[in-house]
Amino acid sequence: GAVVSQHPSWVICKSGTSVKIECRSLDFQATTMFWYRQFPKQSLMLMATSNEGSKATYEQGVEKDKFLINHASLTLSTLTVTSAHPEDSSFYICSASTQGGGLQPQHFGDGTRLSIL
Amino acid sequence: GDSVTQMEGPVTLSEEAFLTINCTYTATGYPSLFWYVQYPGEGLQLLLKATKADDKGSNKGFEATYRKETTSFHLEKGSVQVSDSAVYFCALRDRSGDKIIFGKGTRLHILP
Repeated sequence: GAVVSQHPSWVICKSGTSVKIECRSLDFQATTMFWYRQFPKQSLMLMATSNEGSKATYEQGVEKDKFLINHASLTLSTLTVTSAHPEDSSFYICSASTQGGGLQPQHFGDGTRLSIL
Repeated sequence: GDSVTQMEGPVTLSEEAFLTINCTYTATGYPSLFWYVQYPGEGLQLLLKATKADDKGSNKGFEATYRKETTSFHLEKGSVQVSDSAVYFCALRDRSGDKIIFGKGTRLHILP
């Protein structure tokens, strides 16, 4: 149980394009979803936390107009990289948990590799 | 703020060797501690966890003990396999929040 699916797993697109990444909890209701970014050979950095039905909370230094997060249902969150540029190329990983607070585990998706040409 | 420091890699070992990957943390209160593994091209998988001092997490032959006195959570395995080659992340989660703080990761190469 507790499967999180990300789509697409790999995307290559031209500079200036907007790219949407989906994160779905397949067998549980995800009250809270998290979006991370991972640069090559680096750790995961939390970008934002989203709770179903409310606006996402962005970490310091993350442009909320650049990285649009929508968490419209208990099983789906989307991250849209608007007007992507080569410096946005990275590995994006989402995770989901059943409710807020520090007690529930986070279940991770397999990640989306984004390459901007 | 909270932070996690783990040994830098890459770590290269022969099959059946003993593995230790060091991890120390800085946190207020009593965080939960985790080891995650990331295989090439994949997302993170939880390997093991410990939620209080002296707890030992274990899975797939890996072990780590929550040492409050040394603020450490070192990962060990008695006999590694080629299939253990991956990147290992030590992480903590504060009890008051959702945020997970990751270490920088340690890349492990196991040679046959």
